[in-house]
Amino acid sequence: KQEVTQIPAALSVPEGENLVLNCSFTDSAIYNLQWFRQDPGKGLTSLLLIQSSQREQTSGRLNASLDKSSGRSTLYIAASQPGDSATYLCAVSHSNYQLIWGAGTKLIIKP
Amino acid sequence: ETGVTQSPTHLIKTRGQQVTLRCSSQSGHNTVSWYQQALGQGPQFIFQYYREEENGRGNFPPRFSGLQFPNYSSELNVNALELDDSALYLCASSVGTGEVYEQYFGPGTRLTVT
Repeated sequence: KQEVTQIPAALSVPEGENLVLNCSFTDSAIYNLQWFRQDPGKGLTSLLLIQSSQREQTSGRLNASLDKSSGRSTLYIAASQPGDSATYLCAVSHSNYQLIWGAGTKLIIKP
Repeated sequence: ETGVTQSPTHLIKTRGQQVTLRCSSQSGHNTVSWYQQALGQGPQFIFQYYREEENGRGNFPPRFSGLQFPNYSSELNVNALELDDSALYLCASSVGTGEVYEQYFGPGTRLTVT
């Protein structure tokens, strides 16, 4: 059974710092991995999608890496800003229709 | 904005009642998936509909049912509501049902069962 874990559960850092969020999964037979952002009481915004054949994806200040063999992904946020404060979730596509999710990392960027 | 809309935004129901949640897919998308997100947790997959047929189901009881219409909009129905059904319900649409198709999420419906 695929399980997705995100560490840490919460993180608070000063504005301007670079930071790394971690995601691990137990079954390496994934099709892709996605990172999402969720603002309080809101839906999900897709940030980056990494196909199983890829090693990383970049979008602006965000960089996500994928190591299937070790069951790990990281989301790197450069030069953090208060507007980056949100909960970040990772999800793996384990079949052709189902996403399996971690519980998220709640990120607070202090001005 | 993803183009996926959900209604209503918030809903309060009493235990034992029935509820219908609605989702309008992004234009050109023929697949919709529904997820339940309890407070402080990641979403849990409920089921997926592809071209009006159920295409896969997570570990949810039969009182959770769905429909997809010819215009690919969708409904989630929950009968005999329980307190644990209180959650954010998210729908996501995609161009197809394969793993290569990215899912686009709506803003969700917050259901409170008292």
